[in-house]
Amino acid sequence: DIQMTQSPSSLSASVGDRVTITCRASQGIGNYLAWFQKKPGKAPKSLIYAASNLHSGVPSKFSGSGSGTEFTLTISSLQSEDLATYYCQQYSRYPLTFGGGTKVEI
Amino acid sequence: EVQLLESGGALVQPGGSLRLSCAASGFTFSNFPMSWVRQSPGKGLDWVSSVNSGGGGPSYADSVKGRFTISRDNAKSTLYLQMKSLRLEDTAVYYCVRESQSNSAWHFDDWGQGTLVTVSS
Repeated sequence: DIQMTQSPSSLSASVGDRVTITCRASQGIGNYLAWFQKKPGKAPKSLIYAASNLHSGVPSKFSGSGSGTEFTLTISSLQSEDLATYYCQQYSRYPLTFGGGTKVEI
Repeated sequence: EVQLLESGGALVQPGGSLRLSCAASGFTFSNFPMSWVRQSPGKGLDWVSSVNSGGGGPSYADSVKGRFTISRDNAKSTLYLQMKSLRLEDTAVYYCVRESQSNSAWHFDDWGQGTLVTVSS
């Protein structure tokens, strides 16, 4: 199975800060990497697919990059509504696997 | 607008069975692979199972293989998850997910609101 490791597991930042989350795959996955935002009591929201493509309606303050085994999610200017846990996920092969999550606190 | 409405979650005893349903609307259901993803209390997201657009080629996480069965009724635009031999660790909110295609690969796109399954004696 492909293990997905996110870092940090949590972070605290201020409104307006640039925030970067890293996701590493235990083996190469090309660009078959997605990012999701999860708020308590809400359904997950798809942010990015194919490592760097924004889903429709996702604000441009979110961006993704990387390929192979190392990927990043960046929030260019953190806002209070971005308080959430962020997950990466590989869909290169089954079983599909998620990272452990990064909790972003304001 | 894509809508995915899960139902069937309940309190069930260990060893019991349950069937979850996901009613889809706002898109041509028969054209898209579908998946189930769960989140246990205080834990992260876990993929459970996926099925292709025609209902074939199901895949399962090792933790549910042999106990859960994914299926779909394209005429009713409904996805199912039959769960048997339920364990305490199956307690979770279960999400129905529609997949979309990009560069010949299918990724998670739209999510339902989830249905809570609680396994407890």
